[in-house]
Amino acid sequence: GENVEQHPSTLSVQEGDSAVIKCTYSDSASNYFPWYKQELGKRPQLIIDIRSNVGEKKDQRIAVTLNKTAKHFSLHITETQPEDSAVYFCAASIGGSYIPTFGRGTSLIVHP
Amino acid sequence: GAVVSQHPSWVICKSGTSVKIECRSLDFQATTMFWYRQFPKQSLMLMATSNEGSKATYEQGVEKDKFLINHASLTLSTLTVTSAHPEDSSFYICSANGFVGRADTQYFGPGTRLTVL
Repeated sequence: GENVEQHPSTLSVQEGDSAVIKCTYSDSASNYFPWYKQELGKRPQLIIDIRSNVGEKKDQRIAVTLNKTAKHFSLHITETQPEDSAVYFCAASIGGSYIPTFGRGTSLIVHP
Repeated sequence: GAVVSQHPSWVICKSGTSVKIECRSLDFQATTMFWYRQFPKQSLMLMATSNEGSKATYEQGVEKDKFLINHASLTLSTLTVTSAHPEDSSFYICSANGFVGRADTQYFGPGTRLTVL
């Protein structure tokens, strides 16, 4: 089955800095890669996603890049704010199965 | 759109009792619902996949007789933790996907915190 590795497990940055979270996946058939943000005790919220026919996608301060050849994808957050502090999960799924495999999560801490 | 609710949000029960958790898609029909378990500071662990009108598909290592899943309609799935024990204490989250937006996007419920004494 699919295996998703996520790094780092913890990321601490100063407000205004950029943050990058990286994930790798094992199954070359995976073609959908969502990113979720989960605040303490709350539900995961989809913040951005990318499909394998696209190399990069941006939404305001958030961007995701995908390298299909290397089987890795990354989340980039620019101009970080304290409210960005949360746990971020990457995931990979194969179109049609709709069952994502999640990474282990990255705890992002943005210091004011 | 694409709101998923869960009830209850938290529950405390005695060891040996059964607990039922409901997951509802409020504004769309969910062809598939998923049940996850999450331990503190850990990732989401898929327990089972539930399709309306059919038996749930359980992940390896998940006891189907302990975690009963029923998906009676396109908007409701239930998870019953039978004969709960303290080790079953966890955060249980459901998710649903359907034909709102894109079919492969999962929408999560708010989770249920189960504490077994």
